Amino acid sequence: GQNIDQPTEMTATEGAIVQINCTYQTSGFNGLFWYQQHAGEAPTFLSYNVLDGLEEKGRFSSFLSRSKGYSYLLLKELQMKDSASYLCAVRAPGGFKTIFGAGTRLFVKA
Amino acid sequence: GAGVSQTPSNKVTEKGKYVELRCDPISGHTALYWYRQSLGQGPEFLIYFQGTGAADDSGLPNDRFFAVRPEGSVSTLKIQRTERGDSAMYLCASSLHTTGELFFGEGSRLTVL
Repeated sequence: GQNIDQPTEMTATEGAIVQINCTYQTSGFNGLFWYQQHAGEAPTFLSYNVLDGLEEKGRFSSFLSRSKGYSYLLLKELQMKDSASYLCAVRAPGGFKTIFGAGTRLFVKA
Repeated sequence: GAGVSQTPSNKVTEKGKYVELRCDPISGHTALYWYRQSLGQGPEFLIYFQGTGAADDSGLPNDRFFAVRPEGSVSTLKIQRTERGDSAMYLCASSLHTTGELFFGEGSRLTVL
């Protein structure tokens, strides 16, 4: 089976740094994704990790530890437009089935 | 078009009716996915296609739900005898075989009265 856990909500201040954690217990693993979803809109891709370590892309970075079943998304220099849900998703091996967590709603305040 | 297209964007129906939701993926994307999302939840996997065949349909909740992709491009999600619990946003996504990054459509919001 698949189980993906993320905090339900987080609040942070504009200009600050926030880390959103994700833990997973899955029967097999073939990569972990982070997606951003603004209210009323479709999810959009942020990052992909398949090997351990940190992947950096502008203000966003994502980390993976496969042995711990753990990932985090780091957002730097927060902007009001970063207020959204952040979805952690795991891809199953042998194909492209991708399972999503419930998402973390991030509120950025001035 | 450049992105994933879903129609209708909104569908209101009565309990017990039959519904079809259509998805037109990005040209050249071999994988196509259907998800269902309720308010405040993450997308729930329903089914995915690799080409014309359903590679994994383990997320379909029961036999009232069925999906096809006869020519390996456009897909239709079919729901028979709709129930109020089927009300949700139905998201379609497509991906290239080699990357797996999902490109989502804007979704079809289904409301069953």
